[in-house]
Amino acid sequence: ETGVTQTPRHLVMGMTNKKSLKCEQHLGHNAMYWYKQSAKKPLELMFVYSLEERVENNSVPSRFSPECPNSSHLFLHLHTLQPEDSALYLCASSQGSFGGSSYEQYFGPGTRLTVT
Amino acid sequence: AQSVTQLDSHVSVSEGTPVLLRCNYSSSYSPSLFWYVQHPNKGLQLLLKYTSAATLVKGINGFEAEFKKSETSFHLTKPSAHMSDAAEYFCVVSETPGSARQLTFGSGTQLTVLP
Repeated sequence: ETGVTQTPRHLVMGMTNKKSLKCEQHLGHNAMYWYKQSAKKPLELMFVYSLEERVENNSVPSRFSPECPNSSHLFLHLHTLQPEDSALYLCASSQGSFGGSSYEQYFGPGTRLTVT
Repeated sequence: AQSVTQLDSHVSVSEGTPVLLRCNYSSSYSPSLFWYVQHPNKGLQLLLKYTSAATLVKGINGFEAEFKKSETSFHLTKPSAHMSDAAEYFCVVSETPGSARQLTFGSGTQLTVLP
């Protein structure tokens, strides 16, 4: 595998379910991100992890819970979601979230989430 | 504070004709600027980046962009459109190099290429 991978690619869940999204980066980066992409809205940054510590949480509801066990893996745990949470969830990684000369982000293909 | 405005939500061109996708930014500091492309059901791919070196930046697939500070613009161009260029394009500004928290995405421009 190369780049940034995400699983599953598609997920349908009911409002009472609990599920998790997984992201893995094979680029040796030390920062990882979760974004939400909804139709007709700009990309929204949800969480940022740098060196496995959460450094950003943009007022995301507690029904979304991130986890970063190491610099290569990032999870987004979901529970009691709402229909308006249906969106494409994108994971990204970069070499450095603060400082550093190479900070552009590399994105995974996303997980298309539908909440019924 | 920083912001980015993509002036066209949709652009249609014929195959073989030039492409122009417009982006204006606002920044309190010297920004870094990026263009990303997103094909259907795919993640975002970096096309090119400007980081205070040459103002004319060349990217992948024949795209280039020119940073114009006086106009606060960073328009994306390509001399000749190809069918495979049909996708959504995002202009992104970063106010503080290396700071992920300062990345701001535009709302996107959907490019249609007509045969």
